[in-house]
Amino acid sequence: TQLLEQSPQFLSIQEGENLTVYCNSSSVFSSLQWYRQEPGEGPVLLVTVVTGGEVKKLKRLTFQFGDARKDSSLHITAAQPGDTGLYLCAGSPRDSNYQLIWGAGTKLIIKP
Amino acid sequence: ETGVTQSPTHLIKTRGQQVTLRCSSQSGHNTVSWYQQALGQGPQFIFQYYREEENGRGNFPPRFSGLQFPNYSSELNVNALELDDSALYLCASSRLGGGYTFGSGTRLTVV
Repeated sequence: TQLLEQSPQFLSIQEGENLTVYCNSSSVFSSLQWYRQEPGEGPVLLVTVVTGGEVKKLKRLTFQFGDARKDSSLHITAAQPGDTGLYLCAGSPRDSNYQLIWGAGTKLIIKP
Repeated sequence: ETGVTQSPTHLIKTRGQQVTLRCSSQSGHNTVSWYQQALGQGPQFIFQYYREEENGRGNFPPRFSGLQFPNYSSELNVNALELDDSALYLCASSRLGGGYTFGSGTRLTVV
């Protein structure tokens, strides 16, 4: 069974601080996606990483895919209250093009 | 371009009953996937439909079934509801192998 472990599960920090969320697996994924989910809403895709070692930036968010394509990280610089939400990673298994394997999510709270 | 629409938004059912959830896919998308998300958890893959046929299935019992229609909309049916079926049910549309667009989900409560 392929699993994605996200850490931390919960993070509460002050506005302006930096943070990193991790997504780890023992399995190789053909791609990995990061989503943000608000209460009562479906997840919204932030980024897809495909190549081992790939780094993508979305304003103050930096996403990295591990060289072996087994792990990924999300780094937020100078966090703002608007970054508050549930962040989920999801991997596409190499042997399946029809499902995503999801982490349990990181609940992030940015205090003003 | 319309997004993914799910109905109803909230639903309360009694244990043992049957429920049908509906999803209209985004324009241009031909694949629909259904996920179950329990409180505090990530989504769990139920199944995917492509060209009106089930294209893949997760670890869910047969009482979870679905349909996809010629206009690519979809239904999720759950028979013999159990308390543990209480969750947010998410529908996501895509082009086969492409990125997902999720609906806002149906919150199902089984009492």
